[in-house]
Amino acid sequence: QAQLVESGGGLVKPGGSLRLACVASGFNFSGHYMSWIRQAPGKGLEWLSYISNSGSYGNYADSVKGRFTISRDNTKNSLYLQMNSLRADDTAVYYCARAGRAGDLWGQGTLVTVSS
Amino acid sequence: EIVMTQSPATVSVSPGERATLSCRASQSISRKLAWYQQKPGQPPRLLIYDASTRATGISARFSGSGSGTEFTLSISSLQSEDFAVYYCQQYSEWHTFGQGTKLEIK
Repeated sequence: QAQLVESGGGLVKPGGSLRLACVASGFNFSGHYMSWIRQAPGKGLEWLSYISNSGSYGNYADSVKGRFTISRDNTKNSLYLQMNSLRADDTAVYYCARAGRAGDLWGQGTLVTVSS
Repeated sequence: EIVMTQSPATVSVSPGERATLSCRASQSISRKLAWYQQKPGQPPRLLIYDASTRATGISARFSGSGSGTEFTLSISSLQSEDFAVYYCQQYSEWHTFGQGTKLEIK
């Protein structure tokens, strides 16, 4: 059964850093584009970044460009999101998704709280 | 940025009836549109992609239509498990979501 499991969320101070991870199982991870999408508490969805199946290409929303970096390790079936210079408005549940266009498989999400 | 606008914000429909949700794009996105269902505490679930193609395992009660800037998600014979928030998402230029429509029981 295909599955994505995120980890790495938690409480961080403004200006701090956090690295999220997403481990995939049950499907050919290296054959798919992957993405990170977030949802602030009680709010809608925001697509943050995607990465090509080989990891050679990635793109970002303007809101995180220059602060967040997406990467993957196909030998470990893992996707990552390095988040730097975190701000209060980055507080959200962060989802990884199997998605280049539409997300057909999502993890349960990991909560990131940015607060002093 | 392409802005996606969903209407109405909340719709009340009785079980067994049909619900029709709308999504409008600020510029043409061809048919590069997806629909998701989200229940409290759960991630979104893909229902429809390419405007009208049902995702794997999705009931035929869900149907999508439209192209260009106007899109519709229809849900027939509403069941208790269908009451949730629905989002549209365009992937023509980057990816942007609508603000969501809450489908509630009447």
